[in-house]
Amino acid sequence: GEDVEQSLFLSVREGDSSVINCTYTDSSSTYLYWYKQEPGAGLQLLTYIFSNMDMKQDQRLTVLLNKKDKHLSLRIADTQTGDSAIYFCAESPTANQAGTALIFGKGTTLSVSS
Amino acid sequence: EPEVTQTPSHQVTQMGQEVILRCVPISNHLYFYWYRQILGQKVEFLVSFYNNEISEKSEIFDDQFSVERPDGSNFTLKIRSTKLEDSAMYFCASRRDSFSGELFFGEGSRLTVL
Repeated sequence: GEDVEQSLFLSVREGDSSVINCTYTDSSSTYLYWYKQEPGAGLQLLTYIFSNMDMKQDQRLTVLLNKKDKHLSLRIADTQTGDSAIYFCAESPTANQAGTALIFGKGTTLSVSS
Repeated sequence: EPEVTQTPSHQVTQMGQEVILRCVPISNHLYFYWYRQILGQKVEFLVSFYNNEISEKSEIFDDQFSVERPDGSNFTLKIRSTKLEDSAMYFCASRRDSFSGELFFGEGSRLTVL
C-alpha cells in the first residue's frame, strides 16, 4: 500500500539551512505536501507541489520533487528558532476514488538551537 | 484569513460514552475530512465527505463513527461508544474543490477516554 517515510529528527543551528527529506511510494500522487505542527497545535499547511513540477519556492521555503526517485525535500533557508516544530510530508494518491485522502509520514522533529 | 475551527479543544469522557466533535469548515469549501493522530503516531485519514455524503472512509472508520453536516456550516464527527483506544487528537480539514491542492486543517480536538 501507499507509504510515506521521513527521518525522525533533524537538529540545526540558527541561521543554517535545514533540509527535511521524504520518500513516498505512490507514483501516481497528484499533490505532495509539507505541513508544520507546533507543540499542542494543529497542522499548518506550509506549501505543496503539484506532481508535474520539480521545484517550488516560497520565501524561505524550497520544495524539490524527484518523481523518478519518489523523493521530496523541504529546504528552510536561514532557519530560526521559531521554525522548531514537527514537519509532516504527505501525499495525495490518486488510487482512491476521491483522490483527496492524504497519506502522512510520521513527521520530522526539527530542533533549532541558537 | 479564513480558517477551519474546531470545538471542543479538549474533551475528557468515560469509556462507553458518546462524543460529538464539531467543526466549521472554511465557508466556500465543498470537501470535508476527519483525520486523527494518536499521540506520537502518524496522522491517519478517517473519512471524507462531499455533497452531503461520505465519499471515502478508512478501515478505522467503523460503525462506531458517523459524520453529519446538520446545517450549512457545521460538520460533526460522532463516536457512539468510546473506547480507550479512541483517545487521540482529531483534526477536521476542508478543501475548496477537487481541483484545489490546498487542504486546510483545524487546530484539532483532543479526546481523552478514561
